[in-house]
Amino acid sequence: QVQLVESGGGAVQPGGSLRLSCAASGFTFSTYAMHWVRQAPGKGLEWVAFMPFDSSYQRYADSVKGRFAISRDNSNNTLHLQMNSLRAEDTAVYYCAKDRREKSGTSLDYWGQGALVTVSS
Amino acid sequence: EIVMTQSPATLSVSPGEKTTLSCRAGQSVSGDLAWYQQKPGQAPRLLIYGASTRATGVPARFSGSGSGTEFTLSISSLQSEDFAVYYCQQYNRWPLTFGGGTKVEI
Repeated sequence: QVQLVESGGGAVQPGGSLRLSCAASGFTFSTYAMHWVRQAPGKGLEWVAFMPFDSSYQRYADSVKGRFAISRDNSNNTLHLQMNSLRAEDTAVYYCAKDRREKSGTSLDYWGQGALVTVSS
Repeated sequence: EIVMTQSPATLSVSPGEKTTLSCRAGQSVSGDLAWYQQKPGQAPRLLIYGASTRATGVPARFSGSGSGTEFTLSISSLQSEDFAVYYCQQYNRWPLTFGGGTKVEI
């Protein structure tokens, strides 16, 4: 069965950095696009970042562009999100999610359990 | 970006009833629309993609319809496990955007 397990969350001060990882199993990771989606406490879902199967390009939400970087390691079935210059408004549960397709962003058919990131002084 | 608006924000229904949730896109997204269900403390679950195609394992009581800017998610006979928050999401244009959600409660 498909499993996505996030790690690397925690508490960080404003301006700090954090790197999230997502370990994938149960499917051929190298043939699917992947996303990060976040959810602030008590709020709705916000798409954050996207990378296709071959890392040929990336897409970011305007709210994180220039501060966050998505990457993937197909040899180790792992997705990453490097988060720099963190702000209080980045506080959220961050979900790793699998796209139904390999190249373009579509619907997200499997999600991890989420990693909590708290940005506070 | 394409703004997705869901209504109502909260829906109070009884088990066994039929209910319909609405999602409106700020501009046409063709049929590039998905629905998700999220229960407290859990990750979202894909229910519908392509506006009307049920995802794997989703019960037949869930159905989606619509195209362009107007979409609906119908639940034919609410079960206790269906009480949750439902989100729509468009994937016609970047950035991908979600609606604000509809909470279905007793």
